[in-house]
Amino acid sequence: DQQVKQNSPSLSVQEGRISILNCDYTNSMFDYFLWYKKYPAEGPTFLISISSIKDKNEDGRFTVFLNKSAKHLSLHIVPSQPGDSAVYFCAATILNYGGSQGNLIFGKGTKLSVKP
Amino acid sequence: DAGVTQSPTHLIKTRGQQVTLRCSPISGHKSVSWYQQVLGQGPQFIFQYYEKEERGRGNFPDRFSARQFPNYSSELNVNALLLGDSALYLCASRRGKVMNTEAFFGQGTRLTVV
Repeated sequence: DQQVKQNSPSLSVQEGRISILNCDYTNSMFDYFLWYKKYPAEGPTFLISISSIKDKNEDGRFTVFLNKSAKHLSLHIVPSQPGDSAVYFCAATILNYGGSQGNLIFGKGTKLSVKP
Repeated sequence: DAGVTQSPTHLIKTRGQQVTLRCSPISGHKSVSWYQQVLGQGPQFIFQYYEKEERGRGNFPDRFSARQFPNYSSELNVNALLLGDSALYLCASRRGKVMNTEAFFGQGTRLTVV
């Protein structure tokens, strides 16, 4: 059973336009969410995070939105650039959980292609 | 500062063999986590170590074990390798033990079991 789902394996966007990557989760105990970007032959790189007490967090061109009632979050990239082409992973965790601290639950990823 | 370093970068092993993967965290980082990423999937949590103690374990068989040394580097050991263990093994380090501090990943070790 997948607790974090990224249902779009790929997304293609024109340079300068908005990229919207979606993520759904099933575990209502998740209280912290993260997005990572991964280029081929590199490890994932942290992009942006959001706590469940917020519904939006912004960092430059990147904004993450959280809809707790729908158990849905999205990453918006505006404007999209060719260098943003990578695989994007959504991850979730439960802060201060006594059992498995350090446990990030990842989705399968969405491959974003930004075309010039 | 050097990032998280993992060795080796690539490895080919035969079924039934044992393998040891190594990870050096960023200087000052005391927490190390290990993840397995099979093709087409997201990384899956294996272990977390903080201050040399196991703080979390994912749903992996006992063939998987790890340890953290006094200098905070870590080793992941897998015994009796199966074809299904072929994957990218990622190590992540963070300064503290809770998740709202940023985790930095190494480039991974690509393990192929034949």
